[in-house]
Amino acid sequence: QLQLQESGPGLVNPSETLSLTCTVSGGSISSNHYWGWVRQPPGKGLEWIGSIYYTGSAYYNPSLRSRVTMSVDTSKNQFSVRLTAVTAADTALYYCAGGEGSSSSWSQFYLYYGMDVWGQGTTVTVSS
Amino acid sequence: EILLTQSPGTLSLSPGERATLSCRASHSVRSSYLGWYQQKPGQAPRLLIYGASSRATGIPDRFSGSGSGTDFTLTINRLEPEDFAVYYCQLYGISPPVTFGQGTRLEIK
Repeated sequence: QLQLQESGPGLVNPSETLSLTCTVSGGSISSNHYWGWVRQPPGKGLEWIGSIYYTGSAYYNPSLRSRVTMSVDTSKNQFSVRLTAVTAADTALYYCAGGEGSSSSWSQFYLYYGMDVWGQGTTVTVSS
Repeated sequence: EILLTQSPGTLSLSPGERATLSCRASHSVRSSYLGWYQQKPGQAPRLLIYGASSRATGIPDRFSGSGSGTDFTLTINRLEPEDFAVYYCQLYGISPPVTFGQGTRLEIK
């Protein structure tokens, strides 16, 4: 059974870069899954940040695209997200999640069954 | 970009009652791309329904999903105390490709 675990700094200074890693266990990151990041500001709803396939094909939320980069390390069974120029508005609980899917074009993918595996989440606070 | 609007924002019901949660898309979408999630305090979201009407593994049959086009519904029959939580609908294909609704809080009356 697939399991996900987020890791990374809990505190980031404003204007700096937030970096988080998600480790996949119980299976291979090179399976037919799209691996993603979802965040939740305190007391608010869920926001998709982006998703990546093990080949490195990445898809980002248009509202964050200019600041987000995702990557995959198949040798470590991990995928990561970097968010640059952070502000207090980026303070949130960050989840990694995944689901099986397929690509429908160079800019689109779809999941077969939704995001059926989630990490427990990691809190990131942006503050000096 | 397709937007998802959930209603009501908060639903107050008693255990044993039926809950009906709505998710409306700004444009017609494929039902196969519509899912529902449950989130309890301090926990990650849990997939309940995928493809608008298919229950995820281990989800009790009191949870059901329906709808097509722009209007989708999550129904919870005979509410149990553990069902009181926040529910989100999600599109996971085409737009942008992933979008969440803003959530419906189901609280005990």
